[in-house]
Amino acid sequence: QSVLTQPPSVSGAPGQRVTISCTGSSSNIGANYDVHWYRQFPGTAPKLLINGNTNRPSGVPDRFSASRSGTSASLAITGLQAEDEADYYCQSYDSSLSVVFGGGTKLTVL
Amino acid sequence: QLQLQESGPGLVKPSETLSLTCAVSGGSLSNDYYWGWLRQPPGKGLQWIGSISYSGSTYFNPSLKSRVTISVDTSKNQFSLRLKSVTAADTAVYYCARTIADRLSGFDYWGRGTLVAVSS
Repeated sequence: QSVLTQPPSVSGAPGQRVTISCTGSSSNIGANYDVHWYRQFPGTAPKLLINGNTNRPSGVPDRFSASRSGTSASLAITGLQAEDEADYYCQSYDSSLSVVFGGGTKLTVL
Repeated sequence: QLQLQESGPGLVKPSETLSLTCAVSGGSLSNDYYWGWLRQPPGKGLQWIGSISYSGSTYFNPSLKSRVTISVDTSKNQFSLRLKSVTAADTAVYYCARTIADRLSGFDYWGRGTLVAVSS
């Protein structure tokens, strides 16, 4: 059971917009700790997509954006492409003194 | 371009100690960042194990803290993980990574990962 809750799967057609939610609690996201987002292709290491809630590292397309509110955060992908099909993870920090992750969301491009 | 490379045994017996090293190339271990170990059991999500600073300050996942040691060797530009008393539940792909800034920030550089199986 992950500390941060993500939907197991989401899907969308090419060109569409999809969002992936990340729900925490008052001891992590609700405590105003930063949220980060990763994309992971099978058999490879995760890649940082969003750092510090909304910041895209150099090289990450502006099709990827994120927001947060209260005890939740979300990642949005616009102009969905076939190559976006992957697993997506959110990360934050918990007052239990641990870096925590969501369980991951598998994005399927229809 | 910074590169991280994990190395160590791919098979460890139950109750023994798992030892991995992360070699950093294309840059140096720096106090501007934190260096971490994470793992991912087959078919499952990511778990943070712990992080270390250039100066040796360490932070561990409370659920693993009693079994984990992380150390840094700046002369060799590498940092290491030791996880004692392993069980089958410790079977996972182990990654080393660097935070983009402080110890609570995202991990921007990752090694390719190394699969460690715990089995007799």
